[in-house]
Amino acid sequence: QSALTQPPSASGSPGQSVTISCTGTSSDLGRYNFASWYQQHPGKAPKLMIFEVNKRPSGVPDRFSGSKSGNTASLTVSGLQAEDDADYYCSSYAGGNTLVFGGGTKLTVL
Amino acid sequence: QVQLQESGPGLVKPSQTLSLTCTVSGGSVSSGAYYWSWIRQRPGKGLEWIGYIHYSGSTYYNPSLKSRVIISRDTSDNKFSLMLTSVTDADTAVYYCARLVDGLAAVGLWGQGTLVTVSS
Repeated sequence: QSALTQPPSASGSPGQSVTISCTGTSSDLGRYNFASWYQQHPGKAPKLMIFEVNKRPSGVPDRFSGSKSGNTASLTVSGLQAEDDADYYCSSYAGGNTLVFGGGTKLTVL
Repeated sequence: QVQLQESGPGLVKPSQTLSLTCTVSGGSVSSGAYYWSWIRQRPGKGLEWIGYIHYSGSTYYNPSLKSRVIISRDTSDNKFSLMLTSVTDADTAVYYCARLVDGLAAVGLWGQGTLVTVSS
């Protein structure tokens, strides 16, 4: 079970859109539609932003959207705002009642 | 509203056993379709799933940690616990207790996290 692969950093200006990728294998992201995304601000616990590839929990702005193609899931943040500046982690169900996370992407709002 | 709170020693010596407890308030560890989980984050690093205990009592662990981990629960006290044996400095991390909804593989509820340092 290897960690999912995310780019270490991403950036965009306020109002722009940015997409963060998360690449797995045919044993996790490629097999199951259980990709999730988390936002984490410094010193805080992560917060669920997307589950089941493209569903948003109550209270998460619709500026956040998810998608998946093959072994890669993506998180798009549209209309970037200052408060979106945070670390983002993806996760996936990996079979056998196991879970795997990505290494995280630091999103900087310029 | 369900809340989770980690507790336990903040300092553990190498080769010893790390023990943490998560107190669940506003809900029950033995009811509902949930997985009660431990997740850790090494300093400056990403998240790592350690394992979880299903509301039914079944346990599942990260294969890379399986030989050193035990997750258990105390239904009378409404808590679940983590034991990690033979710790090294690589086990220094913030440890989060968390809850997943059965069938969604998504962590919808997190504790605030507790830093455990492994050092002599």
